[in-house]
Amino acid sequence: SQQGEEDPQALSIQEGENATMNCSYKTSINNLQWYRQNSGRGLVHLILIRSNEREKHSGRLRVTLDTSKKSSSLLITASRAADTASYFCATQAAGNKLTFGGGTRVLVKP
Amino acid sequence: EPEVTQTPSHQVTQMGQEVILRCVPISNHLYFYWYRQILGQKVEFLVSFYNNEISEKSEIFDDQFSVERPDGSNFTLKIRSTKLEDSAMYFCASGGWDREAFFGQGTRLTVV
Repeated sequence: SQQGEEDPQALSIQEGENATMNCSYKTSINNLQWYRQNSGRGLVHLILIRSNEREKHSGRLRVTLDTSKKSSSLLITASRAADTASYFCATQAAGNKLTFGGGTRVLVKP
Repeated sequence: EPEVTQTPSHQVTQMGQEVILRCVPISNHLYFYWYRQILGQKVEFLVSFYNNEISEKSEIFDDQFSVERPDGSNFTLKIRSTKLEDSAMYFCASGGWDREAFFGQGTRLTVV
């Protein structure tokens, strides 16, 4: 079984629309994080939500966490062409390492 | 803004050769990591380093791999005898306990 799986694997939307992607995980966590990766580049941290939090906002980003369902969602509102990237969830449990999911590739068409 | 820097950006090496990937973490961070990403696949944890020793490693991090913090700023990953399947992007990251990680831009390792 794998920790941190995103759904959908790919998403294509028009500029201005909202993009929603989901992440499921299997074990207990301390926090869940979302990262963005532009093609061939490094990972950029977007937002961290702790296990005792249910929702968090940062600019156009909204993250929810449901620990009973072991799932999280990332919503990007009013998407822009510059939001085109791969988005990864990563869980952090005891030991501090990040366990990444397979990612969602988002294409925002102008 | 402080950032994690990695060198080189691209390394091509012959199978069986040793490679050293270099990283300069953010200066006040205490935890250092190496991750790798095989083309088109997910990011995989290799090793974490804290207080001058390995704190955790994955099954990928076998005897062919080693890490070192030779001075106060550099953090290196050595692969002793590279294999074709070691070809991947290698990312260094640094951070704090129970915090976000800051990633470098990666080193693309190509083993031929």
